[in-house]
Amino acid sequence: AQSVTQLDSHVSVSEGTPVLLRCNYSSSYSPSLFWYVQHPNKGLQLLLKYTSAATLVKGINGFEAEFKKSETSFHLTKPSAHMSDAAEYFCVVSDPPTGNNRKLIWGLGTSLAVNP
Amino acid sequence: EPEVTQTPSHQVTQMGQEVILRCVPISNHLYFYWYRQILGQKVEFLVSFYNNEISEKSEIFDDQFSVERPDGSNFTLKIRSTKLEDSAMYFCASSVGGALYYYEQYFGPGTRLTVT
Repeated sequence: AQSVTQLDSHVSVSEGTPVLLRCNYSSSYSPSLFWYVQHPNKGLQLLLKYTSAATLVKGINGFEAEFKKSETSFHLTKPSAHMSDAAEYFCVVSDPPTGNNRKLIWGLGTSLAVNP
Repeated sequence: EPEVTQTPSHQVTQMGQEVILRCVPISNHLYFYWYRQILGQKVEFLVSFYNNEISEKSEIFDDQFSVERPDGSNFTLKIRSTKLEDSAMYFCASSVGGALYYYEQYFGPGTRLTVT
């Protein structure tokens, strides 16, 4: 069965410093992986996705993630945090990875705080 | 930019009452989903819906739950007799769908259901 584990429930960084949100996955086949973000009182927005193309995936707002099969990881990074990045971030795996009808399997989420 | 909308944003109901949560998916989307997140827990898949029928449902989606697309624009989730443990944030999502490619699931802002 597919699953994801987000290794940190809370991350706090200073504005302008790098962000690292960690995610490990478990999948019985080549996975499709995603990062979603949720700002307060907003819907869940897709940041980026990995679907077996390039292992380094670039997303919106300067975020990127690297798929590492040997480490079963899909960590989210950003070189320089902005105050507006403060939100809840979810690592997600698709089950199954392809096909019309997929369900998303979610991590517990990482709350990112950005300090001035 | 088109978006998924959900109403109400917050619903309070008494145990045993029926509730209907409403969603308006993006107009050209063909696949519809409900997820829920109990406070402090992971977002969980409930059901997917395509071509006016359920495509897949989780073990959570028992006989107390039903979904409907009553008028070609709304997508509803009905809980027939609510229990305390149904208290959660309910998210609706929709996607275009397609045979070969992954299509992003677009999420609404959620309905917070409180059962007292």
